[in-house]
Amino acid sequence: QQQVKQSPQSLIVQKGGISIINCAYENTAFDYFPWYQQFPGKGPALLIAIRPDVSEKKEGRFTISFNKSAKQFSLHIMDSQPGDSATYFCAATGNFGNEKLTFGTGTRLTIIP
Amino acid sequence: ETGVTQSPTHLIKTRGQQVTLRCSSQSGHNTVSWYQQALGQGPQFIFQYYREEENGRGNFPPRFSGLQFPNYSSELNVNALELDDSALYLCASSLGTGRGYEQYFGPGTRLTVT
Repeated sequence: QQQVKQSPQSLIVQKGGISIINCAYENTAFDYFPWYQQFPGKGPALLIAIRPDVSEKKEGRFTISFNKSAKQFSLHIMDSQPGDSATYFCAATGNFGNEKLTFGTGTRLTIIP
Repeated sequence: ETGVTQSPTHLIKTRGQQVTLRCSSQSGHNTVSWYQQALGQGPQFIFQYYREEENGRGNFPPRFSGLQFPNYSSELNVNALELDDSALYLCASSLGTGRGYEQYFGPGTRLTVT
C-alpha cells in the first residue's frame, strides 16, 4: 500500500528555472515530512524537512510548501543548477516509536544548460 | 568522523541461497534502520535496531532478519532468496529513535538474485 504518492516521475528543467515536485499522503498520523536527495551510487541525504504546524519552510534555494487540509506538500528548487540533477524523494513519518520513513517513488530531476 | 559504511558493495546470489549484508553506523549512533530500494522505487522500511533490540518492523517476511552488535554495527540476513529480493539495500544510522533524529544513509549494497 503506497501511503505517499509522488509526482512527476521525471522532470527536466532549464538552468535557472524553478523545479517543483509534489507529494500527497494518506495517513493522518504522519507529522514530519522530510525530502531526500540521492545521487547515483550514493544513499539518500536529508535535504530539508517540515512539520505540519507551518505552511512553508525555506532553506537557501529549497522551499517546502505544506497544505495540511489537502494532505499535500511540495518541494520547490529556485534557480535550479546542473548540480541539482539527482533523484528526489519525499518521505513521511509519525510518532510510531521509531523514525520509520515512508518514501514516495522518487522524481528524477535533470537540469539542462 | 566516518559516515555510514556498508559491505559488500555488490553481490550476486542464486535463488534459494542465503545472504548477509553488513553496516557500520556513524560514530556515536546507537540506532540502525534497514531499507530495501527496488529499481525505480523509493526505499521501503525493513526494520530498525536500537541498542541491540529490534524496534519496529515493516511489511517483510520472517526470512528477513537482523542483528545489532554492542558496537552498534548491524547485519541484515535474508534466507531463501527470491528473484524479487533483487534491490539496493540501504542502512541508515541515527543518534536515537524518534522524529528528532536525522537518519544518515550509507551507499547501499546492490543485491542481484538470479
